[in-house]
Amino acid sequence: AQKITQTQPGMFVQEKEAVTLDCTYDTSDQSYGLFWYKQPSSGEMIFLIYQGSYDEQNATEGRYSLNFQKARKSANLVISASQLGDSAMYFCAMTYLQGAQKLVFGQGTRLTINP
Amino acid sequence: DTGVSQNPRHKITKRGQNVTFRCDPISEHNRLYWYRQTLGQGPEFLTYFQNEAQLEKSRLLSDRFSAERPKGSFSTLEIQRTEQGDSAMYLCASSLSWGQGGYTFGSGTRLTVV
Repeated sequence: AQKITQTQPGMFVQEKEAVTLDCTYDTSDQSYGLFWYKQPSSGEMIFLIYQGSYDEQNATEGRYSLNFQKARKSANLVISASQLGDSAMYFCAMTYLQGAQKLVFGQGTRLTINP
Repeated sequence: DTGVSQNPRHKITKRGQNVTFRCDPISEHNRLYWYRQTLGQGPEFLTYFQNEAQLEKSRLLSDRFSAERPKGSFSTLEIQRTEQGDSAMYLCASSLSWGQGGYTFGSGTRLTVV
């Protein structure tokens, strides 16, 4: 069964600093996808970045990059040059690339950016 | 395309009442998912449709829950005889079959059972 672990319940960072949010996963399957979502207080889940298990390069999307270490089963999110608007809950999730492709989420990390 | 739309945004109901939520996915997305998110937790999968067929249901989906997606377009999630433990955010997401990075979530319906 899939399992996602986010060990940081809360993170506090100064504006403009870089921040790394940790995510480890457990799966016996070889074909899977890893996602990061941002959830502001309004509730919607905003897609940030995706990494496929067979992708050799780490994914990047603007200020977001995913540090994918397959052997360690980790998929950490790096936000460069943090902004006040980055304050939100962040969820790591994974899915198998077959079947229903449902997402399994971690418990999330609450990120607070201080001015 | 305006994304995934969920209605209502908030619902307060008395214990024992029935409630129904609606999700309008992105029109070209043939996959639709319902998730439930309780306070301080990540979303948990409830059920999945491919077009109009409900192909998978979680054990979280008790007999009091039913979901439909007539004609493969919008979907409804009904909870009968609501209990206080049903209080949560109900999120809908849609995607294309290949799923890669393509999940789009709605803003959710927050249910409070009093």
